[in-house]
Amino acid sequence: EVQLVETGGGLIQPGGSLRLSCAASGFTVSSNYMTWVRQAPGKGLEWVSVIHGGGGYIYYADSLKGRFTISRDNSKNTVYLQMNSLRADDTAVYYCAGSYSYGSLDYWGQGTLVTVSS
Amino acid sequence: DIQMTQSPSSLSASVGDRVTITCQASQDISKFLNWYQQKPGKAPKLLIYEASNLQTGVPSRFSGSGSGTDFTFTITSLQPEDIATYYCQQYDSFPYIFGQGTKLEIK
Repeated sequence: EVQLVETGGGLIQPGGSLRLSCAASGFTVSSNYMTWVRQAPGKGLEWVSVIHGGGGYIYYADSLKGRFTISRDNSKNTVYLQMNSLRADDTAVYYCAGSYSYGSLDYWGQGTLVTVSS
Repeated sequence: DIQMTQSPSSLSASVGDRVTITCQASQDISKFLNWYQQKPGKAPKLLIYEASNLQTGVPSRFSGSGSGTDFTFTITSLQPEDIATYYCQQYDSFPYIFGQGTKLEIK
């Protein structure tokens, strides 16, 4: 059974940094597509970033380039999202999702809430 | 970026009704479109991939069609457990934009 578990969310002040983790079981992070999607309170889904393969396949939402960095640790079968210079509008539930083929988000974690507020 | 226009934004229907949601892309995306269902407080779930392919385990009352810029998602006979918000998502090019969502309620 595939399980994705996000951790690392919490309350952070504007301008701060946070690193989210997504630990996978029953699913190999190194050979599949791993995506972060976020959802602000009461709002729709926003695609954030994806990583696949040797690391050369990394893409970000235009509005997040330069502040967010996706990475992974194959030995821990875990994907990360490093978020810097956080703003109030980054407040959201952050989901990680895994897929065997590009584009489709087959498996989802339960999400972790990030609240940016002073 | 490719923009996705989903309509309606909300919909109220009765059990047994046929429900249709549309999604329009701002440019040709071939068949690179998925549909997701999200129930309150839960993560989204993939229902349809590549415009018309039913994900394993998804009931056959759900279906999708379309190509190019115009896509349709249909529930042939609405069930109470189908109450959710539905999203389309293009994956023709990055960023993989989602539609704004359609909130489906029971009348």
